[in-house]
Amino acid sequence: NAGVTQTPKFRVLKTGQSMTLLCAQDMNHEYMYWYRQDPGMGLRLIHYSVGEGTTAKGEVPDGYNVSRLKKQNFLLGLESAAPSQTSVYFCASSYSGESEAFFGQGTRLTVV
Amino acid sequence: GEDVEQSLFLSVREGDSSVINCTYTDSSSTYLYWYKQEPGAGLQLLTYIFSNMDMKQDQRLTVLLNKKDKHLSLRIADTQTGDSAIYFCAESIGGGTASKLTFGTGTRLQVTL
Repeated sequence: NAGVTQTPKFRVLKTGQSMTLLCAQDMNHEYMYWYRQDPGMGLRLIHYSVGEGTTAKGEVPDGYNVSRLKKQNFLLGLESAAPSQTSVYFCASSYSGESEAFFGQGTRLTVV
Repeated sequence: GEDVEQSLFLSVREGDSSVINCTYTDSSSTYLYWYKQEPGAGLQLLTYIFSNMDMKQDQRLTVLLNKKDKHLSLRIADTQTGDSAIYFCAESIGGGTASKLTFGTGTRLQVTL
C-alpha cells in the first residue's frame, strides 16, 4: 500500500519557470491538501480539495493553481516561480475533513 | 481566527517527561490532533482528541484539553531519543465539506542523554 506519493522529491527552478507537483493517493480518500512548510511557520495550507473536480483556496493560495481531475491525483502548479516559493511542499489526503490526514514525504523546491 | 500557536523548541533529558503545549483560537474545532515529523519525512498522526473530552491517554502519551482556555497539551512519559522530532498540533475547523486542518508552527523536541 503506497499511501500518498509525491513527485518529484527535489527540484531546482529558475525564477519565472513553471512546474507541476504531482500527488497521488491510493486510499480512495475524498479530501486532498497541499501545504508548504517554512521554518518557524509550521504548515500553511495552499489549496485543498473535498472531492474529484473540486478545489478551494487555503491560507496562502497566491502564485499557485491546483487541479483534481481524478480522485486519486491532486496537482499543484506554479506558473511563474519566485524565490519566495522556495519551500518544502507536502501533500496530504484524508477520508473526511475530520479524519486522520496521511502525508506524502514532501518535495523540496528551490527557486533561484 | 485560525491561529494555532506552539513554542518552537523543547529540550529534555532521556527518561524525563516532555510536555508540549499548544493554543488555538477557533472554538468550533471538533477534533484536535498531534502529529510527529521525523527528519526528512512527512507528518504522522500520533494521537487525537475529540473536543468534548478533557483527557486521552495512549500508552506513553497523554493529551489534555482545556476547551475554556483553548489549550491543548501533549505529555510524553519516559521520553526516549527516538522521540526527538518536530511535533505539530492541528485543529479541524469548519464542518462537512468546509472542514480543513490548520497546523501550529511545530515544536522541535530534543532529547539529550
